[in-house]
Amino acid sequence: AQTVTQSQPEMSVQEAETVTLSCTYDTSENNYYLFWYKQPPSRQMILVIRQEAYKQQNATENRFSVNFQKAAKSFSLKISDSQLGDTAMYFCAANSQGGSEKLVFGKGTKLTVNP
Amino acid sequence: SQTIHQWPATLVQPVGSPLSLECTVEGTSNPNLYWYRQAAGRGLQLLFYSVGIGQISSEVPQNLSASRPQDRQFILSSKKLLLSDSGFYLCAWSTGGAGTDTQYFGPGTRLTVL
Repeated sequence: AQTVTQSQPEMSVQEAETVTLSCTYDTSENNYYLFWYKQPPSRQMILVIRQEAYKQQNATENRFSVNFQKAAKSFSLKISDSQLGDTAMYFCAANSQGGSEKLVFGKGTKLTVNP
Repeated sequence: SQTIHQWPATLVQPVGSPLSLECTVEGTSNPNLYWYRQAAGRGLQLLFYSVGIGQISSEVPQNLSASRPQDRQFILSSKKLLLSDSGFYLCAWSTGGAGTDTQYFGPGTRLTVL
């Protein structure tokens, strides 16, 4: 069974600075996907970025990038030039190909961007 | 483009009353559909998923049930609500079939059981 661990319950960063959120996972699958979702105060879960495990290149989406270390089973999220709108809960998640593609979520990191 | 709807957005129900939450997806066919619950201050717990009409898999045994009467409709129900059923319920969809990956979430329903 897959497990996802986020060891930072809360973090804060100053506006315009860079912050990194940590995530580790455990899986016996060979093919899987990793995700970061953002949940703002509205509570809708929004996809931030995804990484396919067979791709060595780290995914990037504008100010968001990941550091994917497959051997270490680590998948951290870096947010550059933090904005007030980045304040949210951030969840790391993993799934596997085939079947229903069930997602396993970490417990989340509450990020606060301070002005 | 695909969109996912959930209603109601907010619901307050007494203990022992029935429940029906609805989720519909537009712009795609034969999606995989999922129901999650998020208790206050906690992560997401998968409750049910469906890979097709009438096909429901349960992840957590409890007094909730799910049904998929149409391809793009997913319903979460209960005959008698418990206090512990309070929480935020999220519906999600992903592309059906092998090799699927990303799940996209609806806006959620906040359920309070009093």
